[in-house]
Amino acid sequence: DTEVTQTPKHLVMGMTNKKSLKCEQHMGHRAMYWYKQKAKKPPELMFVYSYEKLSINESVPSRFSPECPNSSLLNLHLHALQPEDSALYLCASSQGWDSNQPQHFGDGTRLSIL
Amino acid sequence: AQKITQTQPGMFVQEKEAVTLDCTYDTSDQSYGLFWYKQPSSGEMIFLIYQGSYDEQNATEGRYSLNFQKARKSANLVISASQLGDSAMYFCAMREFYLDTGRRALTFGSGTRLQVQP
Repeated sequence: DTEVTQTPKHLVMGMTNKKSLKCEQHMGHRAMYWYKQKAKKPPELMFVYSYEKLSINESVPSRFSPECPNSSLLNLHLHALQPEDSALYLCASSQGWDSNQPQHFGDGTRLSIL
Repeated sequence: AQKITQTQPGMFVQEKEAVTLDCTYDTSDQSYGLFWYKQPSSGEMIFLIYQGSYDEQNATEGRYSLNFQKARKSANLVISASQLGDSAMYFCAMREFYLDTGRRALTFGSGTRLQVQP
């Protein structure tokens, strides 16, 4: 079992819906990440939170809104998504932002936009 | 410019044999980290092994070892005694420190799909 828990595992939504993806870790990690992964492609970084503050936004459209309520939780709020946003969304965490700290990933949420 | 290159889109290996997955990287940084991740069809990215740029010895973790050749900028993953459960996508990744922005970011290669045959 992964130590990073993502819910839901699957999500189907229409383009006018509002939904949220959730990520939780209890490893005491202070850096958390959202990645987007299209089929047969590597993950692409979307957001980085360090000590609950947004540190990196990789020019992600505003229809994706991240939130870090506390050091264990990371949310991704979705609104008015497009069909091309269908992908696997991976959450990860790491002890810090140091170069020798591996990121631990969750199972991901498979998102389909109708 | 592409930072991480994995030239093998797919590999086949017989069960119980060893296999090497290639990874080359490009960086001008002196301090960086190299990682290998495994991604089964279920989607989870599983951390396998890490090599720091200043580490003199090759990293090993159980059946996984990293053949680190710094001058050639390669960090190949060696899996010994392949098992059916090793069938998955394997990603090489590098973490660099960007001096101009103070950022540390993880860049992934395009991946190699390994299939272990009985």
